[in-house]
Amino acid sequence: DAKTTQPNSMESNEEEPVHLPCNHSTISGTDYIHWYRQLPSQGPEYVIHGLTSNVNNRMASLAIAEDRKSSTLILHRATLRDAAVYYCILREVGGDYKLSFGAGTTVTVRA
Amino acid sequence: DTAVSQTPKYLVTQMGNDKSIKCEQNLGHDTMYWYKQDSKKFLKIMFSYNNKELIINETVPNRFSPKSPDKAHLNLHINSLELGDSAVYFCASSQEIGWINEQFFGPGTRLTVL
Repeated sequence: DAKTTQPNSMESNEEEPVHLPCNHSTISGTDYIHWYRQLPSQGPEYVIHGLTSNVNNRMASLAIAEDRKSSTLILHRATLRDAAVYYCILREVGGDYKLSFGAGTTVTVRA
Repeated sequence: DTAVSQTPKYLVTQMGNDKSIKCEQNLGHDTMYWYKQDSKKFLKIMFSYNNKELIINETVPNRFSPKSPDKAHLNLHINSLELGDSAVYFCASSQEIGWINEQFFGPGTRLTVL
């Protein structure tokens, strides 16, 4: 599996945007970029995914670099409920079914 | 309604015992998974079943035996429990089409082996 690199932790103030970077310099053309998050004492939950174009949904936005070697998850207005570990994961089109989680980024939101 | 449910939520047992964790999904998904999250919080895939057939076994000791009686259930049976088995176990499911799958995770079962 292609590897991803994320900062260990980030802090944000409530109602401010949070930009979570992910480096994936060995990404292949058939790899989708997925983001999941895990709130304290809960199972992971899907956030967003993309291939080449930027993506928006109700939870977040995903900005993908033109060379696809990095991406940024954007939480537009952080709330206390967004405090979680965020995982950036690459999944190959037509590949196996597993998600390979790294260490993720622990996001702390200050009130 | 809970999409992916697991029982029990907590399980405390002695070394050497045999225990089972049950998982059920009501999403109509074809694929189910078991993940293990250790004390360092790393999540690792253990097994994946598609339409009741095993498709991934990530070099898990054969003391761990998943069983899928039907598409909606994937149970995990563990024989001869060891201290190192203490972890949180997550079940997940997805409507797998090989690329864009959103996996739905259960709330986890915290297993403590004494």
